[in-house]
Amino acid sequence: EIVLTQSPGTLSLSPGERATLSCRASQSVRGSYLAWYQHVPGQAPRLLIYGASSRATGIPDRFSGSGSGTHFTLTISRLEPEDFAVYYCQQYGSSPLTFGGGTKVEIK
Amino acid sequence: EVQLVESGGNLVQPGRSLRLSCAASGFTFDNYAMHWVRQAPGKGLEWVSGISWNSESIGYADSVKDRFTISRDNAKNSLYLQMNSLRPEDTALYYCAKGGSSWYVHFDFWGQGTLVTVTS
Repeated sequence: EIVLTQSPGTLSLSPGERATLSCRASQSVRGSYLAWYQHVPGQAPRLLIYGASSRATGIPDRFSGSGSGTHFTLTISRLEPEDFAVYYCQQYGSSPLTFGGGTKVEIK
Repeated sequence: EVQLVESGGNLVQPGRSLRLSCAASGFTFDNYAMHWVRQAPGKGLEWVSGISWNSESIGYADSVKDRFTISRDNAKNSLYLQMNSLRPEDTALYYCAKGGSSWYVHFDFWGQGTLVTVTS
């Protein structure tokens, strides 16, 4: 099983600032099959990034993903008020599919 | 518009059973793999189970293997999760999620979830 470790656990930032979230895998993620999801409590999770760097339909270009192998990054270039949420990475390259523990982006 | 609506969540005693359903609309259901993902109170997301479009490929997390059974009815555009021998640690919000045409694809749409509480 591939274990995904996200850091930091919590990121305290102000609107307009840049957010950098990390996701490290215990072994290489096949095919860079790595996705990022945004989860606001009480709402359905939303797909942001798939294939490590491809933005999902309708996702603003302030969200970008990068990385390969065992290290992946989600960057939010300028935080908007609606971006304060919990972010999860997921690998879907091997079974069982696994999620990271999440990074909470909170308003400073 | 893609819609996934989960139902069947309830309060149940340890050792009992429960069946969750997910009604899908807005896409060609029998073209896509489907998954169940759960979130325990105060915890992160955990993949529970997945099923390919034709039910030939099925997978489970170790934590639910031999207790939970995933199935689908393509004629009814519905996904199911039969949960037996429930434990307190199965308490969670259970989400239905749409996968891709093959097994190893991200989840592009999620439902709002249905709550399962296992307690005596």
